[in-house]
Amino acid sequence: DTAVSQTPKYLVTQMGNDKSIKCEQNLGHDTMYWYKQDSKKFLKIMFSYNNKELIINETVPNRFSPKSPDKAHLNLHINSLELGDSAVYFCASSLSGAYTGELFFGEGSRLTVL
Amino acid sequence: AQSVTQLGSHVSVSEGALVLLRCNYSSSVPPYLFWYVQYPNQGLQLLLKYTSAATLVKGINGFEAEFKKSETSFHLTKPSAHMSDAAEYFCAVSDGGGATNKLIFGTGTLLAVQP
Repeated sequence: DTAVSQTPKYLVTQMGNDKSIKCEQNLGHDTMYWYKQDSKKFLKIMFSYNNKELIINETVPNRFSPKSPDKAHLNLHINSLELGDSAVYFCASSLSGAYTGELFFGEGSRLTVL
Repeated sequence: AQSVTQLGSHVSVSEGALVLLRCNYSSSVPPYLFWYVQYPNQGLQLLLKYTSAATLVKGINGFEAEFKKSETSFHLTKPSAHMSDAAEYFCAVSDGGGATNKLIFGTGTLLAVQP
């Protein structure tokens, strides 16, 4: 069983479209994240949710709207896609009671905006 | 604010040679430090983590890292490189668990292993 799973793995779409990425974790963690990895492999946190509550929002454009229906799921919806949104989006999870803050990552969703 | 700096965006070694990937951190509180590996078209996998229990940390696949507070470093080493070690390696820092936890990543080091 995959611990953190994301769908879809690949998205190719036109500028201006709206797309969603879904993430699910079966680790029993209470905190979930979205990270963006750009073409230079730089990883930057976008959002985190703890028990369905938004905790971190790192100055991401409001075209990006995360939603956490329960603590095992975190989805990312992107409106009006732009060329600069092309990246790999990683979902991750952690246990807030774990003092080290280790994150477990999904396989990533590669978004290409044409 | 916490940060990590990885020196060398590309490192190339011969198979069987020592691997040394450098990471320096900046943190106002005792840090928790991590090395993650990313193989092509895959997610990030934890190699090892420093949690203050021991300064020399052993991880998977023969990798280890030493926490040196005086040098604010957490360099990753492996005595003998294998072809399968070719990947992108990321150093990361956290100020610990809790609801506001996040990992701050370095810019990554691409390790190439030559036959």
